[in-house]
Amino acid sequence: EDQVTQSPEALRLQEGESSSLNCSYTVSGLRGLFWYRQDPGKGPEFLFTLYSAGEEKEKERLKATLTKKESFLHITAPKPEDSATYLCAVQAASSGNTGKLIFGQGTTLQVKP
Amino acid sequence: DTAVSQTPKYLVTQMGNDKSIKCEQNLGHDTMYWYKQDSKKFLKIMFSYNNKELIINETVPNRFSPKSPDKAHLNLHINSLELGDSAVYFCASSRDKFYEQYFGPGTRLTVT
Repeated sequence: EDQVTQSPEALRLQEGESSSLNCSYTVSGLRGLFWYRQDPGKGPEFLFTLYSAGEEKEKERLKATLTKKESFLHITAPKPEDSATYLCAVQAASSGNTGKLIFGQGTTLQVKP
Repeated sequence: DTAVSQTPKYLVTQMGNDKSIKCEQNLGHDTMYWYKQDSKKFLKIMFSYNNKELIINETVPNRFSPKSPDKAHLNLHINSLELGDSAVYFCASSRDKFYEQYFGPGTRLTVT
């Protein structure tokens, strides 16, 4: 069964303290891995798509990387405005022609000033 | 310019009632989705339409019925509401099935 697991569940950082969020996946054929940010009371906001192992994407203080088993979201010198829940989702070949996304449970990041 | 919009934002109703949530996207996308997010923030796909054709229909009670009058709209009708239906429902759209999805602001449904 296709599965996505994110860790840690919650992460508290001081402003400027870099860290990484993990997304481990078990799927039969990865089509794509997606990272989203969700602020309280809002819908998820798209950040990155990664398609193959070794691929990296960057946006401001965020950098997403992908291996054959997991993806990392690296946050460099975070600011309080980076506080949010970060969601990882995968599209698996087993979903056929539907493009179905399977989400992890998210990592809630709090950055203190 | 709201890309994906949903109405209402909040919905409080009693058990047994029937309610609808509406979704509209102005991105020109071909694919639209309904998700349910439970109290633990877990996001699960319910339905997806591609060019007005139903392509994802997860294990959801048949009290839930989606309807896509055109490519820009996807509505969710729920009959005989139950306490367990309380959750946040998100609509999303994507250019095509395999592209990134863009989410609406969500509808918080509370069944009392």
